[in-house]
Amino acid sequence: GAGVSQTPSNKVTEKGKYVELRCDPISGHTALYWYRQSLGQGPEFLIYFQGTGAADDSGLPNDRFFAVRPEGSVSTLKIQRTERGDSAVYLCASSPQLAGANEQFFGPGTRLTVL
Amino acid sequence: GIQVEQSPPDLILQEGANSTLRCNFSDSVNNLQWFHQNPWGQLINLFYIPSGTKQNGRLSATTVATERYSLLYISSSQTTDSGVYFCAAYSGGSNYKLTFGKGTLLTVNP
Repeated sequence: GAGVSQTPSNKVTEKGKYVELRCDPISGHTALYWYRQSLGQGPEFLIYFQGTGAADDSGLPNDRFFAVRPEGSVSTLKIQRTERGDSAVYLCASSPQLAGANEQFFGPGTRLTVL
Repeated sequence: GIQVEQSPPDLILQEGANSTLRCNFSDSVNNLQWFHQNPWGQLINLFYIPSGTKQNGRLSATTVATERYSLLYISSSQTTDSGVYFCAAYSGGSNYKLTFGKGTLLTVNP
């Protein structure tokens, strides 16, 4: 079956602009995560959705970052007033979230470059 | 939160050699995953292994939860095994987030 998909694969923007990154999870997966990976580092948690609600957004770095999942499937990560330090690969993951912890499956990521 | 440490940070092998990658974690785990990140950045799931031993072809993994470590074994390495290997763990709490180590960069030379 289809895996997690993310669009766009690459995004170049100018400092101060607004960007949206999209994630399509594996069909039927109720849990969705966003992570951010900087060069030479492992991915770091940003936000977790269970269904439509953001169950934990403690990893979002500041209030310029916001994410939604209005119908419990596709999610959009929104970044306002982008800064050069926002440049990174943004990864989305989903899991079936049956009782307890479950295996997470990752998408190919969106490489964001802020000039 | 949980700390995840991987060793070695870098490893260079000749094709055909065997290797062992290690992951230490600071707390008991409910989820432990090994990933291979290919040159295009895709994280490929290798193992979901909060405890016990699993094998998949030339790869196998063992997690000793009571001693807080996991090992990834690669046998008869191939050039296509090159890339970064990440260990990631979840220890508890309601967000199920994975905490990643810094990875092991594996280079397999022909």
